[in-house]
Amino acid sequence: AAGVIQSPRHLIKEKRETATLKCYPIPRHDTVYWYQQGPGQDPQFLISFYEKMQSDKGSIPDRFSAQQFSDYHSELNMSSLELGDSALYFCASSSRLAEGTQYFGPGTRLTVL
Amino acid sequence: RKEVEQDPGPFNVPEGATVAFNCTYSNSASQSFFWYRQDCRKEPKLLMSVYSSGNEDGRFTAQLNRASQYISLLIRDSKLSDSATYLCVVIFHGANNLFFGTGTRLTVIP
Repeated sequence: AAGVIQSPRHLIKEKRETATLKCYPIPRHDTVYWYQQGPGQDPQFLISFYEKMQSDKGSIPDRFSAQQFSDYHSELNMSSLELGDSALYFCASSSRLAEGTQYFGPGTRLTVL
Repeated sequence: RKEVEQDPGPFNVPEGATVAFNCTYSNSASQSFFWYRQDCRKEPKLLMSVYSSGNEDGRFTAQLNRASQYISLLIRDSKLSDSATYLCVVIFHGANNLFFGTGTRLTVIP
């Protein structure tokens, strides 16, 4: 069965650079979520989209933005990167009819040097 | 104080043992409850939903006590492959994102 696809899997950037993370949800899933997991931490919700509209916002810094496109894929844009942004970034998708059953992608490991 | 709290462990148990994890949540308006499993450097995966009536899936049993705002997970006959971090997860009323506990690390020893 198709799973959530994230790219790239690994990304190394320097401070103050920008990064774009991509997420391709499971086909026919209408909701996409972004989570950030720092070293030794639990995943923290950043932002979600339902049918291409932002539906919920968590602890997402102002330096970050995200959107969902007409094909339902989503991109997380991160600017003015800081050392503390180094983390695993997970995208998850679900059907609105089963919101708790979120399927996570393999994550993008971002390292900021 | 985190909205969802767990004992971080670690729990080191021998194969075949029974182990129980507990979790408390602070928001009484919470509406949905889950246990997720996360292996090292991998993505979280849904283990099971948790219902007020309690539910069982093979060796795993989950319980919810809404009055005490408490969730539990019982693993019977532990296998080496059960070694992972177990995350207690809550969806609060009016939201659709997951709130994760800090996770409980389990290591099953041969």
